[in-house]
Amino acid sequence: ETGVTQSPTHLIKTRGQQVTLRCSSQSGHNTVSWYQQALGQGPQFIFQYYREEENGRGNFPPRFSGLQFPNYSSELNVNALELDDSALYLCASSLTPGTDQPQHFGDGTRLSIL
Amino acid sequence: QKEVEQNSGPLSVPEGAIASLNCTYSDRGSQSFFWYRQYSGKSPELIMSIYSNGDKEDGRFTAQLNKASQYVSLLIRDSQPSDSATYLCAAYPGAGSYQLTFGKGTKLSVIP
Repeated sequence: ETGVTQSPTHLIKTRGQQVTLRCSSQSGHNTVSWYQQALGQGPQFIFQYYREEENGRGNFPPRFSGLQFPNYSSELNVNALELDDSALYLCASSLTPGTDQPQHFGDGTRLSIL
Repeated sequence: QKEVEQNSGPLSVPEGAIASLNCTYSDRGSQSFFWYRQYSGKSPELIMSIYSNGDKEDGRFTAQLNKASQYVSLLIRDSQPSDSATYLCAAYPGAGSYQLTFGKGTKLSVIP
């Protein structure tokens, strides 16, 4: 069984730039969620994708956007990067969107904004 | 604002002891609760899920849920130095929300 994979592992950008992070869901999982984890904090929900559509969104501005593809993989795009966007970005997948479904995380992408 | 609260610690226990980690949540509608372990610099790893009142045991881990008190706990028996990590409590809010909400985590140190 293939777990959740994310790329790249690390990324360094400057303010104002744009970034795309990628995620492949665990085998058999059709739902992908994205989280931002700042140092010393718990993960914060950005949004969830199911059937290629956004299925819920946390308190993040529109410059955070995403996509899900037919093979259930997903991208997180962040425009106009700010210093506060420096964080660990985590992708998690689950079998379905149900609220009884545990989410399984990838290794994350560490984004640093200079 | 739906919240999950944890004591940030650090919680230090000697090797072989029982570590007790606690979590409270604000949304009475929450039905599903999860404990994740996160080693420094790594991603969260699911270790327990619990959905109904009472205890659920898996190896050295026991999760406890009390919906009336809005309280979830995780007990780790025979604690090992390899259990040293941050433990994150998470819950789905009620009303069908898929927004898994995490606490800030409790840092556990198991002293050899």
